[in-house]
Amino acid sequence: DTGVSQNPRHKITKRGQNVTFRCDPISEHNRLYWYRQTLGQGPEFLTYFQNEAQLEKSRLLSDRFSAERPKGSFSTLEIQRTEQGDSAMYLCASSARPNYGYTFGSGTRLTVV
Amino acid sequence: RKEVEQDPGPFNVPEGATVAFNCTYSNSASQSFFWYRQDCRKEPKLLMSVYSCGNEDGRFTAQLNRASQYISLLIRDSKLSDSATYLCVVTPGGQFYFGTGTSLTVIP
Repeated sequence: DTGVSQNPRHKITKRGQNVTFRCDPISEHNRLYWYRQTLGQGPEFLTYFQNEAQLEKSRLLSDRFSAERPKGSFSTLEIQRTEQGDSAMYLCASSARPNYGYTFGSGTRLTVV
Repeated sequence: RKEVEQDPGPFNVPEGATVAFNCTYSNSASQSFFWYRQDCRKEPKLLMSVYSCGNEDGRFTAQLNRASQYISLLIRDSKLSDSATYLCVVTPGGQFYFGTGTSLTVIP
């Protein structure tokens, strides 16, 4: 499978716990993006990487959110002290060049109870 | 003001109908434009890019009007399998801005 892979597919956590999601992009894609999507809304940008450099972060990304891409390959998104408002689908996407269409992974659905 | 505005619908059309969606964007510096399709509880998938001269892929036609800052998607001869949410996407470079999506249901 050469698509974008995300793990886990689903995560249920108690409020206040920390969670970490992983994304493995398409291997030849140097750009990696994180988005969040809630019901009835389009995906909202969180952050993106070119290789290992985090080039842009949304204002949506509070101090509780951190993302890394240490070797320019896979990426992790961590949410600390989760809140119920963090419940959403977290989507990872990758692309080979700027302004090329993204390829999305299947997403990680987070439910904070 | 939102970067991208879309009519959320829903659009309910009979099989075989022609349906059109529009989307407006606010940043005149936007460089690239796309339409994505998203099925229920699935990830968005690229449907087509939108070029200044317009482009067509089978029953789907996408057009860009830079002067008025809108993009459109036309679906001819609708099929039941076209039922989905259609997201318009605009980028000035870097991050993509997604519309809220337009819901289409094709009815037998």
